[in-house]
Amino acid sequence: DSGVTQTPKHLITATGQRVTLRCSPRSGDLSVYWYQQSLDQGLQFLIHYYNGEERAKGNILERFSAQQFPDLHSELNLSSLELGDSALYFCASSVGKGTEAFFGQGTRLTVV
Amino acid sequence: QQQVKQSPQSLIVQKGGISIINCAYENTAFDYFPWYQQFPGKGPALLIAIRPDVSEKKEGRFTISFNKSAKQFSLHIMDSQPGDSATYFCAASDGGTYKYIFGTGTRLKVLA
Repeated sequence: DSGVTQTPKHLITATGQRVTLRCSPRSGDLSVYWYQQSLDQGLQFLIHYYNGEERAKGNILERFSAQQFPDLHSELNLSSLELGDSALYFCASSVGKGTEAFFGQGTRLTVV
Repeated sequence: QQQVKQSPQSLIVQKGGISIINCAYENTAFDYFPWYQQFPGKGPALLIAIRPDVSEKKEGRFTISFNKSAKQFSLHIMDSQPGDSATYFCAASDGGTYKYIFGTGTRLKVLA
């Protein structure tokens, strides 16, 4: 158990809908990273937050947004969902810059 | 310049053999190089990591070799076991920013 909690584990929704994925980082970790992993693909970096502030952005679509709350949990919002958004979404946390990142078990999103 | 190139894409090794996975990077600002192991349907788990001030790090059967001048690093799995069958990702992090970039992954299969 990495200490990073993601909910829900599975999510099935229809095209055009909006969903929210939640991540609780390890105790004491200020950094939260979000990654997308499509079937048999690598980990695509989406966005990073540090202590409530956005610090880095990767290949994140405009339909996607995220935030980190004062209690350090983070949410990834995916809207106007398309079939191609079906993937595993992982959250990772770390203490700070350039340190070990620990991953949650992921949320498997299926868009039908 | 932000990419981390990983090879091979897949690898089949006999039980007891040595598995070798290679990664190369361009960004000289990267200063932290972890390896992750991922089983199907699970989140990536940190396996071992190295910083550029050392050329080799060993933990049990897993060894990272680092060549700073060539901007390459590799994972060696000694005495490979069927339980090692998983996808392995190298990554690189820039301590000056919050980027945490992953390679494309290597699917390892160890034959019994």
